[in-house]
Amino acid sequence: QQQVKQSPQSLIVQKGGIPIINCAYENTAFDYFPWYQQFPGKGPALLIAIRPDVSEKKEGRFTISFNKSAKQFSLHIMDSQPGDSATYFCAASPLHSWLMEYGNKLVFGAGTILRVKS
Amino acid sequence: NAGVTQTPKFRVLKTGQSMTLLCAQDMNHEYMYWYRQDPGMGLRLIHYSVGEGTTAKGEVPDGYNVSRLKKQNFLLGLESAAPSQTSVYFCASSYSGPFGGGEVSYNEQFFGPGTRLTVL
Repeated sequence: QQQVKQSPQSLIVQKGGIPIINCAYENTAFDYFPWYQQFPGKGPALLIAIRPDVSEKKEGRFTISFNKSAKQFSLHIMDSQPGDSATYFCAASPLHSWLMEYGNKLVFGAGTILRVKS
Repeated sequence: NAGVTQTPKFRVLKTGQSMTLLCAQDMNHEYMYWYRQDPGMGLRLIHYSVGEGTTAKGEVPDGYNVSRLKKQNFLLGLESAAPSQTSVYFCASSYSGPFGGGEVSYNEQFFGPGTRLTVL
């Protein structure tokens, strides 16, 4: 049972385009939603994260949009570049996941392979 | 700081062989994790640890064992490898508590470079 559903599985855009990756969740206890970026041959790394008290967060060319009522969140990459070609994972964790019994665990989506063509 | 390191980087095993993957972190993190990554399935948690001497099962623990004898190390063992365990394995570590001021990255997990394992 996949708790966080991510789409699309793969995406190809032209340089300068705005790829959008979507994620949906069911567990209303989730309250932290990060995106991880993974380049080929490397481990994932945190890209940007959001809490549900805001509907949007921007960091440089990367924006998370969050719709609490729909239980959906998405990643937008403005002015995409070939260097953005990577696999992107959305994730979620519940309130107080830092408590020892929970151990800061994350539930990951299946990933989206993004290719930006030059 | 080296961050999170994993050894080995690559390994080929025959069915039934055993091996141990080593993860080390130098960030003094309490929490550590082992994931496997398979195409179309994302990152799935195998086991995790909330401190030295503790371990717990994740989403896909069968066929794996772990140990956390030292805070900085987390070992993943395969006692009798099977072809279904062919995968890329990632170790990660994390801080053990929230930060003040509404910091959203307190859950950040820091990943190692991965181990590509093939079981024939």
